[in-house]
Amino acid sequence: AQSVTQLDSHVSVSEGTPVLLRCNYSSSYSPSLFWYVQHPNKGLQLLLKYTSAATLVKGINGFEAEFKKSETSFHLTKPSAHMSDAAEYFCVVSGGNFNKFYFGSGTKLNVKP
Amino acid sequence: GAGVSQSPRYKVAKRGQDVALRCDPISGHVSLFWYQQALGQGPEFLTYFQNEAQLDKSGLPSDRFFAERPEGSVSTLKIQRTQQEDSAVYLCASSFASGRGEQYFGPGTRLTVT
Repeated sequence: AQSVTQLDSHVSVSEGTPVLLRCNYSSSYSPSLFWYVQHPNKGLQLLLKYTSAATLVKGINGFEAEFKKSETSFHLTKPSAHMSDAAEYFCVVSGGNFNKFYFGSGTKLNVKP
Repeated sequence: GAGVSQSPRYKVAKRGQDVALRCDPISGHVSLFWYQQALGQGPEFLTYFQNEAQLDKSGLPSDRFFAERPEGSVSTLKIQRTQQEDSAVYLCASSFASGRGEQYFGPGTRLTVT
């Protein structure tokens, strides 16, 4: 079975400081992992994906994530937050039949000026 | 090119009414998914199509929910006799194949049942 736990429902950082959004997963298969971002009244946008290639994955807008099998983690980081990063972020694991997605409950990122 | 589109974007239904939600996937995408996102939660899988075949409907919450994709492109999610607990955002996603790739999401339809 697949599942995702996002450890923080809300994260608040100051503009220009690092961002860390935590995600742990459970999967019966060799997983594919994704981070999506959802801005208010907008659709989910793919930030980055891991599909069994390099364990350090770089995405759009300066985000990156590291797949750590031993810790079953896929944390999302960014060195310096920007005001436009304020949004809700979802960690996703897929696997099993038909590649259906299993979403975490989301982390709302607030960026203070 | 055009992304995934959904209509209507907002729908208000009285309890007991039937509703139909439409999804236009990206042209050429074989796989189509429907998800339900309740307020404050992550999306949850409802059903999956590969072309016109509905291969997985394990996430549909009751027999009031029905989905179809008759020609392998546009899909409709129908909810009969809506209940208040059906209030949610319904997301459609498509992907090129049924492999390990990303899914492309539409903006969703926000359904409010009063």
